[in-house]
Amino acid sequence: DARVTQTPRHKVTEMGQEVTMRCQPILGHNTVFWYRQTMMQGLELLAYFRNRAPLDDSGMPKDRFSAEMPDATLATLKIQPSEPRDSAVYFCASGLRGGSNTEAFFGQGTRLTVV
Amino acid sequence: EDKVVQSPLSLVVHEGDTVTLNCSYEVTNFRSLLWYKQEKKAPTFLFMLTSSGIEKKSGRLSSILDKKELFSILNITATQTGDSAVYLCAVGGFSGAGSYQLTFGKGTKLSVIP
Repeated sequence: DARVTQTPRHKVTEMGQEVTMRCQPILGHNTVFWYRQTMMQGLELLAYFRNRAPLDDSGMPKDRFSAEMPDATLATLKIQPSEPRDSAVYFCASGLRGGSNTEAFFGQGTRLTVV
Repeated sequence: EDKVVQSPLSLVVHEGDTVTLNCSYEVTNFRSLLWYKQEKKAPTFLFMLTSSGIEKKSGRLSSILDKKELFSILNITATQTGDSAVYLCAVGGFSGAGSYQLTFGKGTKLSVIP
């Protein structure tokens, strides 16, 4: 059963610490999205990769966030230094871009709490 | 800026009722509209719609897209308590920078009571 895998599932950290979230997309998918979900804002797109290249990271605060895909089976989202306002659920989703439409299949998310 | 608006924000119905959830959008270079169901964890994919007027159906759920009026509806008939969830609408389009984006609405929280 193919699925997107995210680790860790939960993370509690102190303000100022570095946080790294990992995502393994579905094998064969060439598109990866990172979303942040909060009660107030809903699902916000942070970054979008196709064939491991970052196509859009305009939704990401550049001073503290970074997203990479070191290989086709791993995407990472880092926050350094973390702040309490970063507390949210971070979702990774992957899809196979065929033509101009892409479905996105979501991982279970990483619930981040910064205290 | 791309915008997806869902209504109502929340809805409480009794088992057996039929509900209609709405999604309107303003998106640059629209490509597709997707519906997701989110219970306690990750959103799960329901439908992708790309053409106007063609209903997609899965069991008691159905959805249709109107590209002229820029909206979609998701219908659930004979609701069950297991339908309780947040239903998310997302629209895929190309941003001004030329990259594909999926923009989500805030969701409709559906509660089905016995």
